[in-house]
Amino acid sequence: QKEVEQDPGPLSVPEGAIVSLNCTYSNSAFQYFMWYRQYSRKGPELLMYTYSSGNKEDGRFTAQVDKSSKYISLFIRDSQPSDSATYLCAMSAQGNNRLAFGKGNQVVVIP
Amino acid sequence: DGGITQSPKYLFRKEGQNVTLSCEQNLNHDAMYWYRQDPGQGLRLIYYSQIVNDFQKGDIAEGYSVSREKKESFPLTVTSAQKNPTAFYLCASSIGGVKYQPQHFGDGTRLSIL
Repeated sequence: QKEVEQDPGPLSVPEGAIVSLNCTYSNSAFQYFMWYRQYSRKGPELLMYTYSSGNKEDGRFTAQVDKSSKYISLFIRDSQPSDSATYLCAMSAQGNNRLAFGKGNQVVVIP
Repeated sequence: DGGITQSPKYLFRKEGQNVTLSCEQNLNHDAMYWYRQDPGQGLRLIYYSQIVNDFQKGDIAEGYSVSREKKESFPLTVTSAQKNPTAFYLCASSIGGVKYQPQHFGDGTRLSIL
């Protein structure tokens, strides 16, 4: 079993729809959870960063962490064509700067 | 502007040749990282460095070498021993220290075989 599982998609949605992405993980030591957005031929850009369980909201983006289920989610409200990108989940354990990444989920928002 | 600069953007390697990818950051970060990204495989850690003059192997270090002589620089050499070097290489940095801080990435170098 891989440490982090993420469905690669692609996921196509109409403009204005809610995009829902998720990752599952197996290592219960993970405490720090990130979502990165990566445009084609660019490096990943940090989108959301949460510690432990709970929700975090930033504009149209909401990140959720459920440590009891080992499941994290990213929601994008009112999706725009500029949200078309690959979204990577990443996580790390306490006192460990190494990241475990999901494979990335390609999202296409259709105007 | 503060950030991470990777160069060149595209690089071609001949068989048996070593090539060096540059990574420079002006964020005053202590920790730096090199990842390899292949289609359908996500990011895999090659090497990382928590402090100047120290570095550790990641999950796929074979065929690669690094140095960390300056805080702002962490070059990666892809040696001829790396038999499948074609990939997108990403450099990242973070503040470092005991408390976890997120990593920030450069825009990558795409390496291809001639």
